[in-house]
Amino acid sequence: DGGITQSPKYLFRKEGQNVTLSCEQNLNHDAMYWYRQDPGQGLRLIYYSQIVNDFQKGDIAEGYSVSREKKESFPLTVTSAQKNPTAFYLCASRGQGVNQPQHFGDGTRLSIL
Amino acid sequence: GQQLNQSPQSMFIQEGEDVSMNCTSSSIFNTWLWYKQDPGEGPVLLIALYKAGELTSNGRLTAQFGITRKDSFLNISASIPSDVGIYFCAGQYSYGKLTFGQGTILTVHP
Repeated sequence: DGGITQSPKYLFRKEGQNVTLSCEQNLNHDAMYWYRQDPGQGLRLIYYSQIVNDFQKGDIAEGYSVSREKKESFPLTVTSAQKNPTAFYLCASRGQGVNQPQHFGDGTRLSIL
Repeated sequence: GQQLNQSPQSMFIQEGEDVSMNCTSSSIFNTWLWYKQDPGEGPVLLIALYKAGELTSNGRLTAQFGITRKDSFLNISASIPSDVGIYFCAGQYSYGKLTFGQGTILTVHP
């Protein structure tokens, strides 16, 4: 099936540890996005990439890093510098075309141990 | 960053009732999108609107792109229990970056 796969579904982080969230898509989309969702709030953009080997900071990039070495993959690393990492993380991708909408994966819930 | 004001924040309705929610922005968007999110899952696209004034339906859902390009509404007619969830509006610029509203939590009582 075509789609966006996020893994793992649940992830626990110890203090001072970096963790990496996976996002893979087989939709042949050029653009990919990472969002953070906190309870009672909308989605906030962390990083986005419009093409392989290029990415830009979103509104809340501090404490996060990304890479885009392959078109189908856009992993997000939550570093130890992110002091409040507990949240629901969503990955999205978007096809070519000016008005193509974003489609989302099923998310990863990250918690602090 | 950009802000979208989505209202109401929550709604409690009886099965069979109609629902209306809306979003307003201080900025102009090229596209308005409406998503629904079930607990523990990612948002699913319901309706996409591409032109000012456009009115689009998807089953019991109807959405409109405001004439000023700064607002949009979503109506759900004859609600059913599976309509329960969080509904988000999002404004999109031409290069794909989205700004989201805070969401409307919908509860439907049988």
